[in-house]
Amino acid sequence: DAGVIQSPRHEVTEMGQEVTLRCKPISGHDYLFWYRQTMMRGLELLIYFNNNVPIDDSGMPEDRFSAKMPNASFSTLKIQPSEPRDSAVYFCASRISRDGYEQYFGPGTRLTVT
Amino acid sequence: QQQVKQSPQSLIVQKGGIPIINCAYENTAFDYFPWYQQFPGKGPALLIAIRPDVSEKKEGRFTISFNKSAKQFSLHIMDSQPGDSATYFCAALAGGTSYGKLTFGQGTILTVHP
Repeated sequence: DAGVIQSPRHEVTEMGQEVTLRCKPISGHDYLFWYRQTMMRGLELLIYFNNNVPIDDSGMPEDRFSAKMPNASFSTLKIQPSEPRDSAVYFCASRISRDGYEQYFGPGTRLTVT
Repeated sequence: QQQVKQSPQSLIVQKGGIPIINCAYENTAFDYFPWYQQFPGKGPALLIAIRPDVSEKKEGRFTISFNKSAKQFSLHIMDSQPGDSATYFCAALAGGTSYGKLTFGQGTILTVHP
């Protein structure tokens, strides 16, 4: 299995630009999670989906952030417009409910907003 | 009440030492307590997990000790090696209707000197 795939691995953009992060979960997994990691705030859960349906988006910092999961094999996290304080590593993780609670994390996307 | 407090923030030991990382929680509904290990440039990966019906779980050199009455749990790494140098996160989850949402501690940066 290829594991969770994220793209791009690195993104550098200017303030005000739109940023789209992509995630392909492990095939067959029915949960997908988006996290943000910074030195100051640690690992924060932004939003998660079950069977492509958003369950809890209370961690999304503000309306500039949006996430979609149009099908079981693809999800996006969009930031529009981006700000320097959005600079962080964004992780996608997935899990399969019948196998317990282990979440499998992708390699992350390092976002830098200048 | 949803927080998991982790300490210390960083830890330095010599090879062969036994680093101990501690976590405390308040939510008595938590019933699954995993530890994740993260190497630089990688996503977190599950290391070991415990449920509150046991007081200790050991996998190789890694041991979780769990104190339900004190609402605390800790990770011990026996005979630590330089390859164990990483960031360690404790987490907690309330089963039932939580959909597998993990609450993470702030992380501990472990350095094992040769």
